[in-house]
Amino acid sequence: QAQLVESGGGLVKPGESLRLSCAASGFTFSDLYMTWIRQAPGKGLEWVSYISNSGTSISYADSVKGRFTISRDNTKNSLYLQMNSLRAEDTAVYYCVRGHWAYHIWGQGTMVTVSS
Amino acid sequence: DIVMTQSPDSLAVSLGERATVNCKSSQSVLYSSDNKNYLAWYQQKPGQPPKLLIYWASTRDSGVPDRFSGSGSGTDFTLTISSLQAEDVAVYYCQQYCSTPYTFGQGTKLEI
Repeated sequence: QAQLVESGGGLVKPGESLRLSCAASGFTFSDLYMTWIRQAPGKGLEWVSYISNSGTSISYADSVKGRFTISRDNTKNSLYLQMNSLRAEDTAVYYCVRGHWAYHIWGQGTMVTVSS
Repeated sequence: DIVMTQSPDSLAVSLGERATVNCKSSQSVLYSSDNKNYLAWYQQKPGQPPKLLIYWASTRDSGVPDRFSGSGSGTDFTLTISSLQAEDVAVYYCQQYCSTPYTFGQGTKLEI
């Protein structure tokens, strides 16, 4: 069945960078848009970014625009989120999600903590 | 940005009773070209990722019990659980995917 597994989270200092990865399996990854959504501790859900199946259409939330870059490698069935200039308010669980509208398949998430 | 506002923030319902969660969008999420409401509902239990319940405002996702139903159009939407079960204790979120940024409501905590 369809599965998404995130990795790459951790503890970093403000201003540092981190790259999240998401390994997809059980479906034809190259056919589908993919999305990152995050959830700060004890808070609600925030849409971060999506990327089209070919990688040619990309959108970002204003809160991360210019600092985060979404990408994908369809040969490796993998989705990425390069996060630069991290801030304390970027602290959250980051979910890799299949699709770019209603989200049927979610990963378990990877925790990113930005703290000095 | 489209702001999604849910009410109430929390809700306590007895087992077997009906639970209703409301969601209001600051702009219509009804897309005129296909006459679809770009609105979804999710359920999130502690320590788990959200689970899709409803999309296109009223279409149940595969495997979702039929006690869950969605209704509404334009700017006002409702998630109804017809007969609350113990396993329905969770936080529920609405989400619009009509225009980016795709925004979520603040969540409604459902308790027994």
